[in-house]
Amino acid sequence: QVHLAEFGGGVVQPGRSLRLSCAATGFPFITYGMHWVRQAPGKGLEWVAVIWYDGNNKEYADSVKGRFTVSRDNSKNTLYLQMNSLRAEDTAVYYCAREIGRWPLGHFDYWGQGTLVTVSS
Amino acid sequence: DIQMTQSPSSLSASVGDKVTITCRASQSISRSLNWYQQKVGKAPKLLIYAASVLQSGVPSRFSGDGSGTDFTLTISSLQPEDFGTYYCQQSYSTLWTFGHGTKVEIK
Repeated sequence: QVHLAEFGGGVVQPGRSLRLSCAATGFPFITYGMHWVRQAPGKGLEWVAVIWYDGNNKEYADSVKGRFTVSRDNSKNTLYLQMNSLRAEDTAVYYCAREIGRWPLGHFDYWGQGTLVTVSS
Repeated sequence: DIQMTQSPSSLSASVGDKVTITCRASQSISRSLNWYQQKVGKAPKLLIYAASVLQSGVPSRFSGDGSGTDFTLTISSLQPEDFGTYYCQQSYSTLWTFGHGTKVEIK
């Protein structure tokens, strides 16, 4: 049974850092691309980042490029999001999601439950 | 980046009504268009992928159509459990993007 669970959210001051984790179980993690998606309170979904199955390719939304880094440890079936220089506008629920399907027909078939990051002084 | 524009931003309809939501891409994305349903406090749920393919387990009253820049999600007969917010998403670009969402309320 596929399961994704995010960890690491919390309250952090502007300018500080935070690392989120997403633990994956129930499927061969090493064969799937993984994404981070966020949702600010009362707002819509915003795609944040993707990392390919082997970790060799990554892409970021313009809003986080240069501040956030996505990575994965396939030996631990875990996805990460290192968030630096955090801003108030980074406040959101952060979801990890599994991508399935071959380009250009990829889609997210499983999502985690989300973890809330609040950037506030 | 490819911009996704959804309309309407919200709608209210009665049980049994046919509901259509549209999504327009700022450039051609072939059929690289997915639809998700989200309820408050929950993660999104995949409904349709590749513009028109129904995800396993999703009721057949949901359907998708379109290619290029213009897409639609149709609920043929709205049910009480269909309330929520619906998002389109393009997967054509390496920078994925979502529409701003359509909130569906039951009258």
